[in-house]
Amino acid sequence: DAKTTQPPSMDCAEGRAANLPCNHSTISGNEYVYWYRQIHSQGPQYIIHGLKNNETNEMASLIITEDRKSSTLILPHATLRDTAVYYCIVRVEDYGQNFVFGPGTRLSVLP
Amino acid sequence: GAGVSQTPSNKVTEKGKYVELRCDPISGHTALYWYRQSLGQGPEFLIYFQGTGAADDSGLPNDRFFAVRPEGSVSTLKIQRTERGDSAVYLCASSDSGGRTDTQYFGPGTRLTVL
Repeated sequence: DAKTTQPPSMDCAEGRAANLPCNHSTISGNEYVYWYRQIHSQGPQYIIHGLKNNETNEMASLIITEDRKSSTLILPHATLRDTAVYYCIVRVEDYGQNFVFGPGTRLSVLP
Repeated sequence: GAGVSQTPSNKVTEKGKYVELRCDPISGHTALYWYRQSLGQGPEFLIYFQGTGAADDSGLPNDRFFAVRPEGSVSTLKIQRTERGDSAVYLCASSDSGGRTDTQYFGPGTRLTVL
């Protein structure tokens, strides 16, 4: 079973920031938080991951609470192409550890 | 550079037939994963290869499913005596186990339809 809880769907206006929450209250000390997204009819796409510090890359920012029980993925300026299902996954950073995907959050970016 | 590729993109077969699905990982990636995704659900792990060997096949649903990676690069997922319940998108992912992190990169998937 997935170790994360996400809202099933969210809407966001184009050009605004999209903030996608994820709860992972049972996360272990050696588990990372990963975010992937899946645009319709494509394979999942890696976005970002982190352990306890906030992370930022060219796609998004990841904010992890101090107790690590929840996190938020931020898309700073959402575009229509960001419409997708977003998956939050916790996983030990080790080779051979498969990802356990939940149902994710379906983000709809509206014009 | 080239990403993970999968062929065919779509496969329609009849119940009871045998199918093979192919995955070409990113060049140099030693780790390869197969997942299956049913409609409206997230991907579900099937099997993991490190090099030529299947290091974890705990996700294979039954013995009709088998996968090989004979030269440590291309992998083939084989399904015998297909059933309608096998209809799904089969995803392949690869990662560079020599790298700092084990980020998995996914292919576009093969949509299998069993009639």
